[in-house]
Amino acid sequence: KQEVTQIPAALSVPEGENLVLNCSFTDSAIYNLQWFRQDPGKGLTSLLLIQSSQREQTSGRLNASLDKSSGRSTLYIAASQPGDSATYLCAPRNAGNMLTFGGGTRLMVKP
Amino acid sequence: EAGVAQSPRYKIIEKRQSVAFWCNPISGHATLYWYQQILGQGPKLLIQFQNNGVVDDSQLPKDRFSAERLKGVDSTLKIQPAKLEDSAVYLCASSPPLPGELFFGEGSRLTVL
Repeated sequence: KQEVTQIPAALSVPEGENLVLNCSFTDSAIYNLQWFRQDPGKGLTSLLLIQSSQREQTSGRLNASLDKSSGRSTLYIAASQPGDSATYLCAPRNAGNMLTFGGGTRLMVKP
Repeated sequence: EAGVAQSPRYKIIEKRQSVAFWCNPISGHATLYWYQQILGQGPKLLIQFQNNGVVDDSQLPKDRFSAERLKGVDSTLKIQPAKLEDSAVYLCASSPPLPGELFFGEGSRLTVL
């Protein structure tokens, strides 16, 4: 059974800092991995999708890396802004098209 | 392109009452998921459909929860009777075949008093 851990659980930083959010998973037999953002009271918004054959994926100030063999993924946020405040969730996906979520990292970026 | 639609957005009921949530996935997405998200936790898969067949429902409390996906499109999740611990957001998601992304609806927030 896949288990996903996200560290840290919460993070509070001043605006402008570069951030690293960590995700680890126990079963490395994944098909891909998705990073999501969740604002309070809202659904999940997909940020990045990394296929198992890829090492990283970039979108704007976001960069996600994947080390499948060691069961780790990292989300890097450059030059953080108050609008980045949200919960970030990672979810590896197996060949059965099933996602398993971690507990998330609650990010607060202060002006 | 229309997203995943869910209703109702909010529901408050007394314990032992019943409730139903509806989901309309993105057109053409064969796979549909229902997740339960308790406050402060990540989403937990309740049931996964491929077209109108169940792929996984191992974490669905079948004594009180049921779900169906008629004609392989819309889906309904029902809870009967509800317990206090069922208070959560119920998220519906859909996806095309691998390696496509999952897309989520806004969720249905249930409060059981």
